[in-house]
Amino acid sequence: DSGVTQTPKHLITATGQRVTLRCSPRSGDLSVYWYQQSLDQGLQFLIQYYNGEERAKGNILERFSAQQFPDLHSELNLSSLELGDSALYFCASSQPRDRANTEAFFGQGTRLTVV
Amino acid sequence: GQQLNQSPQSMFIQEGEDVSMNCTSSSIFNTWLWYKQDPGEGPVLLIALYKAGELTSNGRLTAQFGITRKDSFLNISASIPSDVGIYFCAGQLGYGGATNKLIFGTGTLLAVQP
Repeated sequence: DSGVTQTPKHLITATGQRVTLRCSPRSGDLSVYWYQQSLDQGLQFLIQYYNGEERAKGNILERFSAQQFPDLHSELNLSSLELGDSALYFCASSQPRDRANTEAFFGQGTRLTVV
Repeated sequence: GQQLNQSPQSMFIQEGEDVSMNCTSSSIFNTWLWYKQDPGEGPVLLIALYKAGELTSNGRLTAQFGITRKDSFLNISASIPSDVGIYFCAGQLGYGGATNKLIFGTGTLLAVQP
């Protein structure tokens, strides 16, 4: 158990709909990252939040947005869903320290299927 | 999106054999991480490397951070059936909390026959 909790585990929805994925980071971790994993694209970085603020952005579509709340949990919102958005969505968390680099620990993911 | 070059793409071996896989990048990283992913699960951290030239072990796993900071390898000795899964390398630039995003390799699928 990594300590990172993601809900729901599975989600099936229709094209054009909007969904929200939720992530609770490990206790004490300030950074939350969202990744998308599809068969043809591998693990792709979407966005990072650190202590409530956006810190880095990857290949995140404009239809997608995220936020991190004061209690440090994060939500990834996906709207106007398309068939190609079907993928596994992972959340990871890490705790920055004085040293430059920290390990990231992943949740079990949300499998999104758009039909 | 950006991905690191990881090889081999897949390996089919007999139980007890040693395994080696590597990862290369055109960019320099300050940290290399190795993860294992089982089907339908999230990646699980195996080893983290922080210094160029560093060699680190975790049980039967050994990983090294290349001198150029553009590559890393992972060795698994005396493989067992539970080693089956997909192994990913990941590079991290890392400067405090600002840019710790991971860039992942393309993955190595490992199958172990008892």
